[in-house]
Amino acid sequence: GAGVSQSPRYKVAKRGQDVALRCDPISGHVSLFWYQQALGQGPEFLTYFQNEAQLDKSGLPSDRFFAERPEGSVSTLKIQRTQQEDSAVYLCASSLERRRGNTIYFGEGSWLTVV
Amino acid sequence: SQELEQSPQSLIVQEGKNLTINCTSSKTLYGLYWYKQKYGEGLIFLMMLQKGGEEKSHEKITAKLDEKKQQSSLHITASQPSHAGIYLCGAVSTSGTYKYIFGTGTRLKVLA
Repeated sequence: GAGVSQSPRYKVAKRGQDVALRCDPISGHVSLFWYQQALGQGPEFLTYFQNEAQLDKSGLPSDRFFAERPEGSVSTLKIQRTQQEDSAVYLCASSLERRRGNTIYFGEGSWLTVV
Repeated sequence: SQELEQSPQSLIVQEGKNLTINCTSSKTLYGLYWYKQKYGEGLIFLMMLQKGGEEKSHEKITAKLDEKKQQSSLHITASQPSHAGIYLCGAVSTSGTYKYIFGTGTRLKVLA
C-alpha cells in the first residue's frame, strides 16, 4: 500500500480483555517496528522484525505482550489481560531494509484505552 | 544507553515569529530524523541529516546537524498555525540492537 496502515484506529477495552492490533507495512519493506507512546512522551521501542524474524523484543513490557509477523508482511501486536497502564498509542513503522540511512515511516497509530 | 533530549518541552509563539527546537544526543549520531506529530495522528517524516555540518530546508523549516554529530536544531521561520504540533527527533540507536530511539518531543502552539 501507499503508507503504513494500522487497525483499529481506536480501541476501548475492559480491564482483563485481550486485544489485537494490526499493522500493514509499506509493500516491500523488510523492517517493521512496534512502538508504544504514552501521553506526552516520545515513542518507546517495543519490538523489531526483519521479514518474519523477530530480532528484538527487548522493549515488550511484560509477557502479556506478544507480536508476530508470520509471513513477513502484516504484523499483529497482541496484548493479553489488558491493564490500565497499557493505555497508550501503539505505533507501527516500517523501512525498506535494515540500514542506518533508511527512513522509517509510521502509521497513524492504534489508540488503546483500557477502562 | 543512548538518549535524545529535546528542548524546550513546549513552546507558544505568535504567528509570524521564528523559533528553534534543539535535540541533543548522549552519543555520536549516525543519522538524525525529524518528525512532526499532530494530536491523534502518526509521525510524519520531515527530514533526515547524516553528515556533520549538514543543513536541509523544506519550505520554512530548516534542520541542521552539528559538526560533532551530537546536536541538531530545527528552525521554523515566520511560523504559521499549520506548524503547530509535536516535533520529535529520532535516531538509530548505537547501543544494542538495531532500533530507532526518540526524544520526548517539543509541543508547539502558534497563536494566530
